[in-house]
Amino acid sequence: SAVISQKPSRDICQRGTSLTIQCQVDSQVTMMFWYRQQPGQSLTLIATANQGSEATYESGFVIDKFPISRPNLTFSTLTVSNMSPEDSSIYLCSVEAAQGAPEAFFGQGTRLTVV
Amino acid sequence: GEDVEQSLFLSVREGDSSVINCTYTDSSSTYLYWYKQEPGAGLQLLTYIFSNMDMKQDQRLTVLLNKKDKHLSLRIADTQTGDSAIYFCAESVPGTYKYIFGTGTRLKVLA
Repeated sequence: SAVISQKPSRDICQRGTSLTIQCQVDSQVTMMFWYRQQPGQSLTLIATANQGSEATYESGFVIDKFPISRPNLTFSTLTVSNMSPEDSSIYLCSVEAAQGAPEAFFGQGTRLTVV
Repeated sequence: GEDVEQSLFLSVREGDSSVINCTYTDSSSTYLYWYKQEPGAGLQLLTYIFSNMDMKQDQRLTVLLNKKDKHLSLRIADTQTGDSAIYFCAESVPGTYKYIFGTGTRLKVLA
């Protein structure tokens, strides 16, 4: 299975600031995803991070608020911009297990609190 | 629709069996999954089942799939205190790598 490292694991940020979350995988993967888990809620897909092109965002999420980078096949970043308390969530990076494999693996998540 | 529903809470005694249920609405999903989330941690893949299977067993875990009723269950035999966590079912969205997650069931194991 892929080993996924996310940084930071948690942070407390002031409203109006931005935070960039990093996701590093120990092997090359085609598909990388970013999810949000609001307090007491399930996971919601934010976007698919595409290597070499712009990320594909799900309904309700926009690039200006959640810019994503994917410079290579092992790394991606998600930025939460101009944060408000409503952005307090766990943000999780996910990758496919192997090309064509049905399962996905998740990082340990970044717990963000906006005050 | 693409809603995946689970009951919110389940409490069992240590050594008993736990059964966590899930209903989904997209009958064309190819795979269905169970993930475990312990406090402060990410999601750990427990098991998954291909949609043409009725049952899959993996050590203490048994997954049952009733495709006609769009019902998925996870049975944990001999439940231990370390099994206390939130369990999410998820279905794959056909033709994509996306998942739709259920609401999660918080399992509490009483010693």
